[in-house]
Amino acid sequence: DTGVSQNPRHKITKRGQNVTFRCDPISEHNRLYWYRQTLGQGPEFLTYFQNEAQLEKSRLLSDRFSAERPKGSFSTLEIQRTEQGDSAMYLCASTENTGELFFGEGSRLTVL
Amino acid sequence: SQQGEEDPQALSIQEGENATMNCSYKTSINNLQWYRQNSGRGLVHLILIRSNEREKHSGRLRVTLDTSKKSSSLLITASRAADTASYFCATWKGSGGSNYKLTFGKGTLLTVNP
Repeated sequence: DTGVSQNPRHKITKRGQNVTFRCDPISEHNRLYWYRQTLGQGPEFLTYFQNEAQLEKSRLLSDRFSAERPKGSFSTLEIQRTEQGDSAMYLCASTENTGELFFGEGSRLTVL
Repeated sequence: SQQGEEDPQALSIQEGENATMNCSYKTSINNLQWYRQNSGRGLVHLILIRSNEREKHSGRLRVTLDTSKKSSSLLITASRAADTASYFCATWKGSGGSNYKLTFGKGTLLTVNP
């Protein structure tokens, strides 16, 4: 078990470009979460999946954001037409239940 | 919205001293968790305390929970420079009877000086 893996770890892009982040959760975990974290703040919930079904989305997740989890395995988070306000750390986590969350190392996005 | 609020926002101590961080939350809980985050890294789970527990220990960590005051504290004893990190409390929150998301406070930044 290699834990939760996120790629890329760092992404620098120009405003208006699209970016995609990938998360590979711990294999037996059926729940997968995406969070966003800005400097000096705690992680903020974006969305979560139970297997392949996206069950909840935060109001933070504008229509420029889309997340998928095909086949209930890995997940992708895509941001279209990036804005400078999208600059943040995007964290993925997985779990089997409402206990401990296992986090990846995060994908840091910088929008110029 | 953030469920938990940590206090203080920042704490600076010398190696060997104890560090105490507090967390307050707003709604009823099944459990409360503490996480640690090194700068630029992901979060690591430290300890979970259930609503029917008042105190829990793990190595140099001691967590207390007071559900009547909706508060928790994390004590790190005999601190080390490697304990320098941000510490977050977190509780499960949701709607419609389903607690589906783990919500975090803003964290306490602990600096342990050698």
